Amino acid sequence: QKEVEQNSGPLSVPEGAIASLNCTYSDRGSQSFFWYRQYSGKSPELIMFIYSNGDKEDGRFTAQLNKASQYVSLLIRDSQPSDSATYLCAVNPPLSGGYNKLIFGAGTRLAVHP
Amino acid sequence: DAGITQSPRHKVTETGTPVTLRCHQTENHRYMYWYRQDPGHGLRLIHYSYGVKDTDKGEVSDGYSVSRSKTEDFLLTLESATSSQTSVYFCAISEPVGAGNPYEQYFGPGTRLTVT
Repeated sequence: QKEVEQNSGPLSVPEGAIASLNCTYSDRGSQSFFWYRQYSGKSPELIMFIYSNGDKEDGRFTAQLNKASQYVSLLIRDSQPSDSATYLCAVNPPLSGGYNKLIFGAGTRLAVHP
Repeated sequence: DAGITQSPRHKVTETGTPVTLRCHQTENHRYMYWYRQDPGHGLRLIHYSYGVKDTDKGEVSDGYSVSRSKTEDFLLTLESATSSQTSVYFCAISEPVGAGNPYEQYFGPGTRLTVT
């Protein structure tokens, strides 16, 4: 079992819809969770982080964390074609020793069509 | 881009040759990381550094070495490149847990390396 799992997609949604991206992780002691966006040929860009159970909202983005079920999700409201990218989930495992080491999922490709 | 540059941006080399990739940052960040990114695997940590001359291995360190003689530079060396090391390499920076914005990692633009 991979430490951080994501559906590779592509997830195709129409413009204006809500895109829901999901991620599960295997290490129950993980404390911090991150969503990165990566456009084709570009470097990853941090868009959200969350470390408490529940929801965290930032503009059109909402991160949701459920530690009991070991999943974290990202909702994108009013999806735009410019949101088309690969979304990477990353987890800060408990044995990272304070060095901010991250374990990444393989990413979900999102395609927003007009 | 958090003041991170990588060089070269593209490189083609032959199997068995040594290769050094450079990561340079201008904002005095303490922690630096090297990742590789391959289809189906996401980003995997190769090595990281928590200060000048302080480095440690990540999950895929075999065949790679690193050095950090100055805060601003983190070098990744492939002593004898193999075709399995064809990948996109990203450098990242961060601050120690407990500092301002303790969890954010910022990535450089990447280096595309092809080993023939």
